[in-house]
Amino acid sequence: DARVTQTPRHKVTEMGQEVTMRCQPILGHNTVFWYRQTMMQGLELLAYFRNRAPLDDSGMPKDRFSAEMPDATLATLKIQPSEPRDSAVYFCASGLRFSGSSYNEQFFGPGTRLTVL
Amino acid sequence: AQKITQTQPGMFVQEKEAVTLDCTYDTSDQSYGLFWYKQPSSGEMIFLIYQGSYDEQNATEGRYSLNFQKARKSANLVISASQLGDSAMYFCAMEGPSGYALNFGKGTSLLVTP
Repeated sequence: DARVTQTPRHKVTEMGQEVTMRCQPILGHNTVFWYRQTMMQGLELLAYFRNRAPLDDSGMPKDRFSAEMPDATLATLKIQPSEPRDSAVYFCASGLRFSGSSYNEQFFGPGTRLTVL
Repeated sequence: AQKITQTQPGMFVQEKEAVTLDCTYDTSDQSYGLFWYKQPSSGEMIFLIYQGSYDEQNATEGRYSLNFQKARKSANLVISASQLGDSAMYFCAMEGPSGYALNFGKGTSLLVTP
């Protein structure tokens, strides 16, 4: 049963600390997405990758957030330094998409619930 | 720019009844995809149904159907024969042709009562 995995599931940290969230996309998927969910803003796209290359990270605060895909089986989202306003659930999703295809179901991971004190 | 609007923050429905969750969208793209996701209290995002802008038939998946009215730019989700397990947040989302990422609405909280 293929699924997206995310670690850690929960993270509590203090303001100023570095936070790294990891995602293992479904094997064979060529697109990876990071979304953030808060009560106020809802679900927002932070970044996405296709074939490990970043295609769009315009939703990400560049001064403190960074997203990478060191290899096809791992995507990371890093916050340094973290701030209380970063408290949210961070979802990773993966999908399979080819140029010209019209359908791209995204499979979501269980999310990382981050609390920054 | 795309915009997804879900005007119903919360809905109630009695078990076994049908319910319609509203979604309107705004886009200048000619080709786009519309999705509905379910988020139960456990937090995971579950894909329900997809409608392509060029699909002539309304999408159906089991008890879920999408009432797609392109001229009105609406993509309402219809759940037939509601079950207690349908209680959850429901999100409408859109994908444009120039990007693969989803743009989500604010969601509708559905409560199914016995």
